[in-house]
Amino acid sequence: AQKITQTQPGMFVQEKEAVTLDCTYDTSDPSYGLFWYKQPSSGEMIFLIYQGSYDQQNATEGRYSLNFQKARKSANLVISASQLGDSAMYFCAMSPSGAGSYQLTFGKGTKLSVIP
Amino acid sequence: NAGVTQTPKFRVLKTGQSMTLLCAQDMNHEYMYWYRQDPGMGLRLIHYSVGEGTTAKGEVPDGYNVSRLKKQNFLLGLESAAPSQTSVYFCASGRDSRFLTDTQYFGPGTRLTVL
Repeated sequence: AQKITQTQPGMFVQEKEAVTLDCTYDTSDPSYGLFWYKQPSSGEMIFLIYQGSYDQQNATEGRYSLNFQKARKSANLVISASQLGDSAMYFCAMSPSGAGSYQLTFGKGTKLSVIP
Repeated sequence: NAGVTQTPKFRVLKTGQSMTLLCAQDMNHEYMYWYRQDPGMGLRLIHYSVGEGTTAKGEVPDGYNVSRLKKQNFLLGLESAAPSQTSVYFCASGRDSRFLTDTQYFGPGTRLTVL
């Protein structure tokens, strides 16, 4: 069974500062995929970034980067230069076998608030 | 290209009533999913389908049934609604597992309240 743990129920960050949202995972699958999603107050789920377990480099997408430490089983999301629009819930998720279109297991989320 | 749509957006039921939630996708995706999201929780998988005519149980399937008669549609049914099924329901779709880095695409959600 797979498990995702997000230990930060809520985080605050000053506008224009960087912030790291923590995610640790547990799985017995030899290969897997890790995802981050953003859920603004409007409710939709927005895909941010993906990291495959065999990827040698950390994934980056614009202001988002994923700090992947396989030995520690962590996949932290780093948001650089925070903006007011980044205020939202953030969910870490994983899928087996690295297949993004397969079953996703989600963490409980971290609520990020960006302070002007 | 509408992506993933869900009908209805909101619904209030009384205990014991039945209803069907409809999910439709226009991306020709093989895989479709139903999740529920409760306060303070991430999404939990209810049922999923890996192709037309197939369905499988997820993490929390009890009290729900699903059908995938057409590739583009995935229906979630509640035969006898209970207050514990008050939740926000998300449908998602995705290409098959050959596309390793693909994300799932989510619908806007249905907010269901069971009194």
